[in-house]
Amino acid sequence: DTGVSQNPRHKITKRGQNVTFRCDPISEHNRLYWYRQTLGQGPEFLTYFQNEAQLEKSRLLSDRFSAERPKGSFSTLEIQRTEQGDSAMYLCASSLLGGGAADTQYFGPGTRLTVL
Amino acid sequence: AQRVTQPEKLLSVFKGAPVELKCNYSYSGSPELFWYVQYSRQRLQLLLRHISRESIKGFTADLNKGETSFHLKKPFAQEEDSAMYYCALSGYQGGKLIFGQGTELSVKP
Repeated sequence: DTGVSQNPRHKITKRGQNVTFRCDPISEHNRLYWYRQTLGQGPEFLTYFQNEAQLEKSRLLSDRFSAERPKGSFSTLEIQRTEQGDSAMYLCASSLLGGGAADTQYFGPGTRLTVL
Repeated sequence: AQRVTQPEKLLSVFKGAPVELKCNYSYSGSPELFWYVQYSRQRLQLLLRHISRESIKGFTADLNKGETSFHLKKPFAQEEDSAMYYCALSGYQGGKLIFGQGTELSVKP
């Protein structure tokens, strides 16, 4: 499968626990994005990387959230001390920047987080 | 403020009827506009983007800078068009997407 993959697909945790999600982008894609989607809303941007560099972080991303892309390939998103408000679908997307036009983002299936 | 507005949460039409999903945006600069679609139990996927100026699955969308709109249209809806549709924008050099709330299109037989 050459699409964007995310693991796990579902995660149930108790409030206060830490969780980590992984995203594997399409190979050769140099940009990787994280979004969060709650019920009835469109995806909201969290952060993105170009290669290893984290270029932008949303104000939505509190200091409990951290994302890494250490080798410019896969990325992890960690949430520390989870809260019930963190329950959402976490989406990853990747793209290939080039050609002077806006990159087309390809989305993964998402990780659904439920915080009890 | 950068914002995308989709005024209809649900649009229900009969098969063969014309469809128009509305999208208005607010952006300082030259945005790129997109329509993404999510079919039941599938991932979000790109339907079309304004710079391509092409028709995908019979859908078209025209960027109206004067009205800051990017409405999605199809002359004859099909049952397989039933899905969630999201309008989104980014800067002209890409980067983060700003999404609308989405419109659920239901095409009845």
